[in-house]
Amino acid sequence: NAGVMQNPRHLVRRRGQEARLRCSPMKGHSHVYWYRQLPEEGLKFMVYLQKENIIDESGMPKERFSAEFPKEGPSILRIQQVVRGDSAAYFCASSPRQPEAFFGQGTRLTVV
Amino acid sequence: SQQGEEDPQALSIQEGENATMNCSYKTSINNLQWYRQNSGRGLVHLILIRSNEREKHSGRLRVTLDTSKKSSSLLITASRAADTASYFCATDAAGSARQLTFGSGTQLTVLP
Repeated sequence: NAGVMQNPRHLVRRRGQEARLRCSPMKGHSHVYWYRQLPEEGLKFMVYLQKENIIDESGMPKERFSAEFPKEGPSILRIQQVVRGDSAAYFCASSPRQPEAFFGQGTRLTVV
Repeated sequence: SQQGEEDPQALSIQEGENATMNCSYKTSINNLQWYRQNSGRGLVHLILIRSNEREKHSGRLRVTLDTSKKSSSLLITASRAADTASYFCATDAAGSARQLTFGSGTQLTVLP
């Protein structure tokens, strides 16, 4: 059973481009969370999804950011028209019914 | 302070010594978890303690939880150089749809 898989591990985008981050949860996990980590800081919750549903997006910026978790395929975090301030590590976590969350290795986004 | 605030921010000890990190939080919780993050890597789940538990052990780790003081401590005994990492506490607040709130972490350096 592979862990939570995120790709790409590193992503460089120019200002104004789109960034797509993918997350494949652990097998059997139907809950996916996205977190953002700025340098020297802890993780900040962005969005919580179950299959085909956004359950809580209270931590996600209202503009330019969107997330989905389709019936088939990975969860996608999409950032449109990226700006320098979007540079961060983005982590995905998945969980079964238990409260423990299992994290992926993260995608490090650099906006140049 | 923010929910899940760790103390100290940085800790440097000699190999073989014990390391103690503290975490304070503000709201009622379902459980509290400790994670480790090596530089530039993802988070590794260490231990979970539920709100009705006071102490929990896992190998060289000992976690305590005092819900009356809204605080937790993580003790690593007989530290090793490989324990060098950032350590985060994360709370699963009651009624929060289970997203985790992270503190800003304690950077532990174990000197050989």
